[in-house]
Amino acid sequence: GESVGLHLPTLSVQEGDNSIINCAYSNSASDYFIWYKQESGKGPQFIIDIRSNMDKRQGQRVTVLLNKTVKHLSLQIAATQPGDSAVYFCAPGPGGYNKLIFGAGTRLAVHP
Amino acid sequence: GAVVSQHPSWVICKSGTSVKIECRSLDFQATTMFWYRQFPKQSLMLMATSNEGSKATYEQGVEKDKFLINHASLTLSTLTVTSAHPEDSSFYICSATFEGATNTEAFFGQGTRLTVV
Repeated sequence: GESVGLHLPTLSVQEGDNSIINCAYSNSASDYFIWYKQESGKGPQFIIDIRSNMDKRQGQRVTVLLNKTVKHLSLQIAATQPGDSAVYFCAPGPGGYNKLIFGAGTRLAVHP
Repeated sequence: GAVVSQHPSWVICKSGTSVKIECRSLDFQATTMFWYRQFPKQSLMLMATSNEGSKATYEQGVEKDKFLINHASLTLSTLTVTSAHPEDSSFYICSATFEGATNTEAFFGQGTRLTVV
């Protein structure tokens, strides 16, 4: 079955610093990858996605990098803010009807 | 964007009773809904996939007789936890999508915190 793991269960950063959250995946057939943010007591919130034919995609203050050779993707958050404190999940998409298998998650703690 | 609403946001029930959680798509017709369970400090685990008008497909290890899923309309799916026990206490989250959606369009509800005492 699908397995997705994360390198770091928790990440503490200073406000204003850049954050990098990593994710490893096993299914090389994934068509796309999604990053979600989950604040305490809430459902996941879409951040950014990337197709398997891309290496990099940028959004507002976020960048996702995909390395298919080593089956690794990362989420970079620039100028991290207290509001970025949450758990971040990566979810590879197997294609079709959005059946998402979530990774273990990384908790991002932003300190003033 | 599309909105998915869960009700209730939290519920406390006695052991042995049943609890129903609703998941509604407010501004689109959800042909498929997914139910997840999340224990503290853990990831979301997919429980089942629910297609409107048909039986739900359960993930391995999920008891279909304990977690009853009904997707009777294009805007509503329900999850009933039957004969709940303390170990069923968890955060239950639904997501919904619609036919023709792109692969990344899965909209999540705000979750339901179930506590069984």
